[in-house]
Amino acid sequence: GENVEQHPSTLSVQEGDSAVIKCTYSDSASNYFPWYKQELGKRPQLIIDIRSNVGEKKDQRIAVTLNKTAKHFSLHITETQPEDSAVYFCAASFRGFGNEKLTFGTGTRLTIIP
Amino acid sequence: EAQVTQNPRYLITVTGKKLTVTCSQNMNHEYMSWYRQDPGLGLRQIYYSMNVEVTDKGDVPEGYKVSRKEKRNFPLILESPSPNQTSLYFCASKGGDTQYFGPGTRLTVL
Repeated sequence: GENVEQHPSTLSVQEGDSAVIKCTYSDSASNYFPWYKQELGKRPQLIIDIRSNVGEKKDQRIAVTLNKTAKHFSLHITETQPEDSAVYFCAASFRGFGNEKLTFGTGTRLTIIP
Repeated sequence: EAQVTQNPRYLITVTGKKLTVTCSQNMNHEYMSWYRQDPGLGLRQIYYSMNVEVTDKGDVPEGYKVSRKEKRNFPLILESPSPNQTSLYFCASKGGDTQYFGPGTRLTVL
């Protein structure tokens, strides 16, 4: 089955700096890679996702890059703000007919230092 | 308001006492799923359902059952709970690419 590794487990950055979180996956058939943000005591929420036919996707201060050959994908947050402090999870799945198992990484606790 | 609801939100029980955690969504989504969240292990998928009467195992299905008799409901059943099932449980439904998570159920099995 799929295995997703996520690094680092904790990350502290100064407000205004950039943050990068990296994930690797094992199943070359995986074709969908979402990122979720979970604030303390709240439910996870999708912040950005990417499909395997795209190398990069941006949404304002957030971007995700995908390297299918190396089976790596990364989350980039620029101009970090205090409200970016949360736990971030990457995930991978193969989206095919009748099958959509989603495997998450173990999470990165991001702390923005004012 | 579009939402996923779970009940109960908190539950303390004892080993072996059957319990059910309900999950309901009002978005007419076909796909629903259950996850457990444990410190250092992230979110792990227990079961998912692509549609009514269609369910499949996730990564950690042992000790759990699910049913999908109608589109809006996807209950999680623990027939004989054990302490290693103490966890935070999330139900989710998916519309398009976006999974919408419920508020979570914190379960403690003594």
